[in-house]
Amino acid sequence: AQSVAQPEDQVNVAEGNPLTVKCTYSVSGNPYLFWYVQYPNRGLQFLLKYITGDNLVKGSYGFEAEFNKSQTSFHLKKPSALVSDSALYFCAVRDRDKAAGNKLTFGGGTRVLVKP
Amino acid sequence: DSGVTQTPKHLITATGQRVTLRCSPRSGDLSVYWYQQSLDQGLQFLIQYYNGEERAKGNILERFSAQQFPDLHSELNLSSLELGDSALYFCASSVEGGADGNTIYFGEGSWLTVV
Repeated sequence: AQSVAQPEDQVNVAEGNPLTVKCTYSVSGNPYLFWYVQYPNRGLQFLLKYITGDNLVKGSYGFEAEFNKSQTSFHLKKPSALVSDSALYFCAVRDRDKAAGNKLTFGGGTRVLVKP
Repeated sequence: DSGVTQTPKHLITATGQRVTLRCSPRSGDLSVYWYQQSLDQGLQFLIQYYNGEERAKGNILERFSAQQFPDLHSELNLSSLELGDSALYFCASSVEGGADGNTIYFGEGSWLTVV
């Protein structure tokens, strides 16, 4: 079974400072990894994904994430946070094994609060 | 805008009732997924359909059922509703294959409140 852990319920950061949201995963075999963001009263928006290749993945709104196979981690980062980045962030994993289906397994979410 | 359309956006109903949530996937997407988001359970996968056929099943209650129609839109039916069914229900879709084949796009969700 696959699982995702987001160890921090909330991350507070000052505007302009670097932002990191942590994610670790457990899956048999090699994973597909995703980050989504949910703004208040909105749906989930896709930010970025790791499928294969370069371990550093760049996504929307200046976000990037680094895949670390040995640590089974996929931390989300942004060099300089904006107040508008305040939202709920979800890490998700999908098994490459097609027999497992295409479903995503989500972490519990991390609320990011960027203060001016 | 993800291109996934869900209706209704908000719904309030009484316990014991039945509701239907509707979803139109992105143009060209053959797969449709339903997820439930609640405070205590987080984001839970319910069910996936691919081109009209059920492909994967998650934590979907027997009181809930879904289908995907020939025009690829999908409906999630929730019956004998209980207070604990109050949640945000997401529909999502994806295309099979290609560079974007691994990305699942979500709609804005349908807020269900059971009173």
